[in-house]
Amino acid sequence: DAMVIQNPRYQVTQFGKPVTLSCSQTLNHNVMYWYQQKSSQAPKLLFHYYDKDFNNEADTPDNFQSRRPNTSFCFLDIRSPGLGDAAMYLCATSNVAGPYNEQFFGPGTRLTVL
Amino acid sequence: RKEVEQDPGPFNVPEGATVAFNCTYSNSASQSFFWYRQDCRKEPKLLMSVYSSGNEDGRFTAQLNRASQYISLLIRDSKLSDSATYLCVVNRANDYKLSFGAGTTVTVRA
Repeated sequence: DAMVIQNPRYQVTQFGKPVTLSCSQTLNHNVMYWYQQKSSQAPKLLFHYYDKDFNNEADTPDNFQSRRPNTSFCFLDIRSPGLGDAAMYLCATSNVAGPYNEQFFGPGTRLTVL
Repeated sequence: RKEVEQDPGPFNVPEGATVAFNCTYSNSASQSFFWYRQDCRKEPKLLMSVYSSGNEDGRFTAQLNRASQYISLLIRDSKLSDSATYLCVVNRANDYKLSFGAGTTVTVRA
């Protein structure tokens, strides 16, 4: 089945210790997104790749970086995690050419910062 | 003003009841509208797209009112498995990116 996969599902890191979250997709979608979601809040878009083009949201801290080495994979790097970065990180994909641009989400990585 | 606003609920309903709720969006130029379902500590999953004429998928009916800039979702004959948070999602005008509401929580009790 075509899907969006995220690894790891749970990540525990220490304050200030860099962490990398990964996302892969078999949908062959050209856009990949990273969202941060905290409890009882809406998913917040951090950035996205449209093909190879990186698009940052204006309010995304510099602490968050991303890489997309190929169509299928995308990574989220948190250079120096703070306690406030503890959240669920969701990867999503879409085919912008589609009529309604639905986004399909991976299962998420729940990040704990100690 | 938030781009998408929802009543957080919770809406507590007995099995078999009908429950309905709305969301409002701020940008009149938005073109794509969706309802996503999110279970506790899980990812959002697309429930249905909302078409301009309104659409129905089994027990779920979505309506769009462009003049008043709101979208509604109605669930008939509620099941225990319908308990979830329902996210209202709207594309940003002239953009393929989506804006999410914080969700409406529905709890169906036996």
